[in-house]
Amino acid sequence: DAKTTQPNSMESNEEEPVHLPCNHSTISGTDYIHWYRQLPSQGPEYVIHGLTSNVNNRMASLAIAEDRKSSTLILHRATLRDAAVYYCILRDVGSGNTGKLIFGQGTTLQVKP
Amino acid sequence: DAMVIQNPRYQVTQFGKPVTLSCSQTLNHNVMYWYQQKSSQAPKLLFHYYDKDFNNEADTPDNFQSRRPNTSFCFLDIRSPGLGDAAMYLCATSRVGSGANVLTFGAGSRLTVL
Repeated sequence: DAKTTQPNSMESNEEEPVHLPCNHSTISGTDYIHWYRQLPSQGPEYVIHGLTSNVNNRMASLAIAEDRKSSTLILHRATLRDAAVYYCILRDVGSGNTGKLIFGQGTTLQVKP
Repeated sequence: DAMVIQNPRYQVTQFGKPVTLSCSQTLNHNVMYWYQQKSSQAPKLLFHYYDKDFNNEADTPDNFQSRRPNTSFCFLDIRSPGLGDAAMYLCATSRVGSGANVLTFGAGSRLTVL
């Protein structure tokens, strides 16, 4: 069963901010929230991760709800190169220390010039 | 640069002809994963190695096997590929014990079955 819920697709205009939502109502207390993205014909790449506090890096920001049941990936200024499938992923709660990550369906982001 | 390298990038095989895909890493990560990604679908975990310990997903067909002869290399063997096995196969690595367990992916091996 999928552990996260994301919209199938979103559109954005170039150079505008993009907010990609993710619901994860069954998250456990020690699960990290990861975001990866996959450009066409490439392997997924890491974007950002967080546990409880909001996080910023050079690629994006991650806003985590206080109850941790949802999060939002924020691209501050979308470019055409940001067009990709964005995956919100939780560390599988049953994995113990092996740390396997299970992908949901992801959000396909289209960026319009 | 430290990275995850998959070979070959493209593999064409005939129905039922065994195939081996390889993955190597220079990150010294203790976990290596194999994912299968079919067209327009999310990556699906097949199995992973935590050091030498093999962990198979419950729904991974017996047709898929894996070997990890050392820390740096991991192989995916498809014993008798069917048309439904045509997909992108992604290798990923991570270091368990590093907190967030960030995965580093290779570029993938695209398998075509004729």
